[in-house]
Amino acid sequence: NAGVMQNPRHLVRRRGQEARLRCSPMKGHSHVYWYRQLPEEGLKFMVYLQKENIIDESGMPKERFSAEFPKEGPSILRIQQVVRGDSAAYFCASSPPGPLNTEAFFGQGTRLTVV
Amino acid sequence: EDQVTQSPEALRLQEGESSSLNCSYTVSGLRGLFWYRQDPGKGPEFLFTLYSAGEEKEKERLKATLTKKESFLHITAPKPEDSATYLCAARPYGQNFVFGPGTRLSVLP
Repeated sequence: NAGVMQNPRHLVRRRGQEARLRCSPMKGHSHVYWYRQLPEEGLKFMVYLQKENIIDESGMPKERFSAEFPKEGPSILRIQQVVRGDSAAYFCASSPPGPLNTEAFFGQGTRLTVV
Repeated sequence: EDQVTQSPEALRLQEGESSSLNCSYTVSGLRGLFWYRQDPGKGPEFLFTLYSAGEEKEKERLKATLTKKESFLHITAPKPEDSATYLCAARPYGQNFVFGPGTRLSVLP
């Protein structure tokens, strides 16, 4: 039973490039959450998605950031025109649908470095 | 506004020295209170879910308890391998998880 899979684990981008972070939820899970973590800081909520729907994007910056969770395939967090301040660890978590939608299980994260 | 705080920020214990970590939460309707462990460079690892005041859960040297405003993570006779950051999260109904800043635990041999 594979856990939440994130790739790539490490991503280096130059300022102005695009970063695409992928998250495959656990089998049977239809809810995905994205969080950002800076060194020595806690997890900051970005966006909460179900298949083909954005449930809550209140933590997502208004510009340059977008997320999707299509009917087929992984969830994608996309950062356009990256800046040095985007350097962080980005974690994805997933949870099952319905009444079991309580605990969320995390992937190992993607560490984005903008140079 | 939903909020979760944790104390202390950092804790150093000698091996075998029991202690407790605190998580205080303010949310509008609690669906669940969660504890995670995070090792450096890794994703958070799920430990416990607590649903209602008075509930307790145990796993090896860890025991989590819940009141209407707080949760405690008790560590009994810790070992160096228990060193990690412990994260608390509260989930209001119909919403996402609100995380606290974490407690960095170091257990010295």
